[in-house]
Amino acid sequence: ETVLTQSPATLSLSPGERATLSCRASQSVSNYLAWFQQKPGQAPRLLIYDASNRATGIPARFSGSGSGTDFTLTISSLEPEDFAFYYCQQRSDWPPLTFGGGTKVEIK
Amino acid sequence: EVQLLESGGGLVQPGGSLRLSCAASGFTFSSYAMTWVRQAPGKGLEWVSGISGSGSNRYYVDSVKGRFTISRDNSKNTLYLQTNSLKDEDTALYYCAKGIDNWDYWGQGTLVTVSS
Repeated sequence: ETVLTQSPATLSLSPGERATLSCRASQSVSNYLAWFQQKPGQAPRLLIYDASNRATGIPARFSGSGSGTDFTLTISSLEPEDFAFYYCQQRSDWPPLTFGGGTKVEIK
Repeated sequence: EVQLLESGGGLVQPGGSLRLSCAASGFTFSSYAMTWVRQAPGKGLEWVSGISGSGSNRYYVDSVKGRFTISRDNSKNTLYLQTNSLKDEDTALYYCAKGIDNWDYWGQGTLVTVSS
């Protein structure tokens, strides 16, 4: 099973700042990594698939990078609606499909 | 417009059973694999099970193998998850999602609470 480790667990930033979230895989997942955003009381929303491709309707301030075992989600300038939980997920080695433990982006 | 609507959750005693349903609309249901993902209260996301469009291929996380069964009725555009021998640790919000991965559409979830 491929374990995904996200860091930091919590990121405290102000609107307008840049957010950098990390996801590390226990073995190579090539570029088969996605990022999801989840707000309280809502279902997850797909942001990025295959490491760097924005999903439909996702603003350009969200970008993904990386391959192999190290991945990054960057939010170039935080908007108020971006404060949420973020999860990475791999589809390279499955079953099972696995998620990281999540990063909470909170308002500083 | 794609819509996924889960139902069937509730309070059940340990060892009990529930059948979860996910009614789909707005796309050709039989052409897509479908997935169940769960989230325990205050915790992260966990993939539970997936099924191919035809229903011929089914996949499970180890913790539910032998207890949960995923199925679908393409004539009714409905996905199911039969959950048996429920344990405390199965308490979670259960989401259905369109596709085998890269899920771009999700339902709002149905809550399963396992407690005596």
